[in-house]
Amino acid sequence: DVKVTQSSRYLVKRTGEKVFLECVQDMDHENMFWYRQDPGLGLRLIYFSYDVKMKEKGDIPEGYSVSREKKERFSLILESASTNQTSMYLCASKEGANSPLHFGNGTRLTVT
Amino acid sequence: RKEVEQDPGPFNVPEGATVAFNCTYSNSASQSFFWYRQDCRKEPKLLMSVYSSGNEDGRFTAQLNRASQYISLLIRDSKLSDSATYLCVVFTSGTYKYIFGTGTRLKVLA
Repeated sequence: DVKVTQSSRYLVKRTGEKVFLECVQDMDHENMFWYRQDPGLGLRLIYFSYDVKMKEKGDIPEGYSVSREKKERFSLILESASTNQTSMYLCASKEGANSPLHFGNGTRLTVT
Repeated sequence: RKEVEQDPGPFNVPEGATVAFNCTYSNSASQSFFWYRQDCRKEPKLLMSVYSSGNEDGRFTAQLNRASQYISLLIRDSKLSDSATYLCVVFTSGTYKYIFGTGTRLKVLA
């Protein structure tokens, strides 16, 4: 079974803080993704990576950056957290071109 | 028009009932299709991939209609534990994107 692990289930941060969300997968997948999920808006892609040190912007990259230094780890960085970044953040990985996504258990971030 | 559309529900059905959800997609070049289940405040979990010829997994049957650009999910003999939100996901390799529907909420009633 694929295991995707996100480091925190719940986080509370203050406006302006730099926030790191970590994600690790144990299946040697090349492709990793960061989404946020908000009520009524569904899942929206922030960034994805198809290889180490490679990254591509998704639909809503503003205010975020990512890091992929090792194949198994994909980090999402909020450079200066804002209240509109309060959301559920979901990391995912996948094996091949048309494969399904496997999600981590999510990080519920609250920015106050 | 949204790229992937689902009826948000809720669908309230009694235990043992059969229920079906549809999901329409707008990009005719879409290649891969999936159904996920999401429980409240949890992550989406893969329920099943959807193949061109249709496929079944126990009480669950998925169908793809490329001509009309929709996929469906049929749940037979509903259980209380089937209560969840069901997400339709469409992948288009040209855009390298997975597009998610906003989900259909199912409540199975005792």
